[in-house]
Amino acid sequence: QSVLTQPPSASGTPGQRVTISCSGSSSNIGTNNVNWYQQVPGTAPKLLIYGNNQRPSGVPDRFSGSKSGASASLAITGLQSEDGADYYCAAWDDSLNGYVFGSGTKVTVL
Amino acid sequence: EVQLVDSGGGLVKPGGSLRLSCAASGFTFSSYSMNWVRQAPGKGLEWVSSISNSGNYIYYAASIKGRFTISRDNAKNSLYLQMNSLRAEDTAVYFCARGRIAVAGSAGDYWGPGTLVTVSS
Repeated sequence: QSVLTQPPSASGTPGQRVTISCSGSSSNIGTNNVNWYQQVPGTAPKLLIYGNNQRPSGVPDRFSGSKSGASASLAITGLQSEDGADYYCAAWDDSLNGYVFGSGTKVTVL
Repeated sequence: EVQLVDSGGGLVKPGGSLRLSCAASGFTFSSYSMNWVRQAPGKGLEWVSSISNSGNYIYYAASIKGRFTISRDNAKNSLYLQMNSLRAEDTAVYFCARGRIAVAGSAGDYWGPGTLVTVSS
């Protein structure tokens, strides 16, 4: 049972907008920054968003992150075929004194 | 170019030990925190441990606390994970990841390819 809750799947056709939610609590998302990772199965995760809404160099601007209270979301606009992957939210948890990942959301490009 | 290469995985019997290593290059290793994250077959990501840039601050997941020890050698640009009393549920691909900043527990911005640990009799 993950501390951060994500929907197991999301899908869209090329060009559409897809959003992924991440629900936490006051001890993690409510207090600390949220990060998002993209993982193509069989490969290492890639940092997509850090500090709630900051993109590392090289990440396309069609990926965006936001946070409100104890929830966060990742939006992919102009969905492309190469966006089909697993997406994980993550944050530091002050109660657990550790880093927690969401359960992951599989994005399928139809 | 930032590079992380994790190694040391393999097949080990329950109760056994294994030491993972992560060789870093392309950045000033002593300026960044480091992390270990694992992924069991077909499952999601699970944070294992973090260590600050100096090694003074260390954090562990409850599932491995008391059995695993994270350490680093800044002179050798290397990160380690000593794993003792291994259990079947520790079977996973283990990734080392660089923290974005010196403080332990920050987002992992560069990741190694991972090394597979299989615990089985």
